[in-house]
Amino acid sequence: DAGVTQSPTHLIKTRGQQVTLRCSPKSGHDTVSWYQQALGQGPQFIFQYYEEEERQRGNFPDRFSGHQFPNYSSELNVNALLLGDSALYLCASSPMDRANYGYTFGSGTRLTVV
Amino acid sequence: LAKTTQPISMDSYEGQEVNITCSHNNIATNDYITWYQQFPSQGPRFIIQGYKTKVTNEVASLFIPADRKSSTLSLPRVSLSDTAVYYCLVGDIYKLSFGAGTTVTVRA
Repeated sequence: DAGVTQSPTHLIKTRGQQVTLRCSPKSGHDTVSWYQQALGQGPQFIFQYYEEEERQRGNFPDRFSGHQFPNYSSELNVNALLLGDSALYLCASSPMDRANYGYTFGSGTRLTVV
Repeated sequence: LAKTTQPISMDSYEGQEVNITCSHNNIATNDYITWYQQFPSQGPRFIIQGYKTKVTNEVASLFIPADRKSSTLSLPRVSLSDTAVYYCLVGDIYKLSFGAGTTVTVRA
């Protein structure tokens, strides 16, 4: 059974550009969350999607937006990239009714902004 | 949101038991305590979760005293492959709040 799948694994973008990252949740999971992890720090919550709607949001600017599709997969979009957006972006999934059993994380997308 | 405090790093040797204590003085009544493990260039992996007393699974044990102001993750007989960052989380189970974690280094 495939876990959480993220694409691409690595990406290099230029300041000011836009980027889209993709996530396929684990089979049977309907909730997708996105995290940003800077080097040497713990992951920081960006937002969570359930039933194709953003349910919770962390302390990130509007340049960060997302989408969830009917098949539960999700995209993270970042506009007007800054050098500080360079990080590992992680997607995590869970069944909404069993979130207290922990989230399954993907291996992430390493974004480098130059 | 309850804040957690855990040691920055710990060293151990293969075959030893590793105990990581996490302080969470402001834990709310309905908060769970969750631990994740993260290897370099990978996403965190759920290890164990508990509310009170003791929880054990095939990977670790979690000890929670009655006042729930701290918790201890116990890793029995560690191996080199247990070298990782371990995070203690308390609070909203839908919006995980990770601190800096504890880097555990297991030596031969």
